Amino acid sequence: GENVEQHPSTLSVQEGDSAVIKCTYSDSASNYFPWYKQELGKRPQLIIDIRSNVGEKKDQRIAVTLNKTAKHFSLHITETQPEDSAVYFCAAREKAAGNKLTFGGGTRVLVKP
Amino acid sequence: GAVVSQHPSRVICKSGTSVKIECRSLDFQATTMFWYRQFPKQSLMLMATSNEGSKATYEQGVEKDKFLINHASLTLSTLTVTSAHPEDSSFYICSARGDYRTDTQYFGPGTRLTVL
Repeated sequence: GENVEQHPSTLSVQEGDSAVIKCTYSDSASNYFPWYKQELGKRPQLIIDIRSNVGEKKDQRIAVTLNKTAKHFSLHITETQPEDSAVYFCAAREKAAGNKLTFGGGTRVLVKP
Repeated sequence: GAVVSQHPSRVICKSGTSVKIECRSLDFQATTMFWYRQFPKQSLMLMATSNEGSKATYEQGVEKDKFLINHASLTLSTLTVTSAHPEDSSFYICSARGDYRTDTQYFGPGTRLTVL
């Protein structure tokens, strides 16, 4: 089955700086890669996603890039703000396995004011 | 966006009792619902996938008889933790997905189960 590795596990940045989180996946057939933000005790919220036919997608301060050949994708947050502090999860969809999502281990992001 | 609700949000029960958690898609029809378990400071672990009107598909290592899943309608799935024990204490989260044209999974707010 699919295996998703996520790095780093924790990330501390100064407000206004950029944050980058990287994920690798193992199944070349995976074709959908969402990113979720989860605040303490709350539900994961979808912040951006990308499909395998696209190399990059941007939504205001958030962008995701995908390298299908290398099987890795990254989340970029620019001009970070304290409210960006949360745990971020990447995921990959296994099309052959009932479209289930396999999640990375998560990155705890702390934005210092 | 699509809204998924979960009930109850918190439950405390005695060891040996059963607990039912409901997951509802409020403004869309969910052909597929997923149940996850999340331990503190850890990732989401998929327990099972349920499709409306059919039996759930459980992940390896998840006991079917202990975690009963029912997806009787396009807007409701339930997870029943039978004969709960303290080690079953966890945060249980459901997610719902629309039809095959929809990639996105929308998550419920989660249920924190504490078994005494």
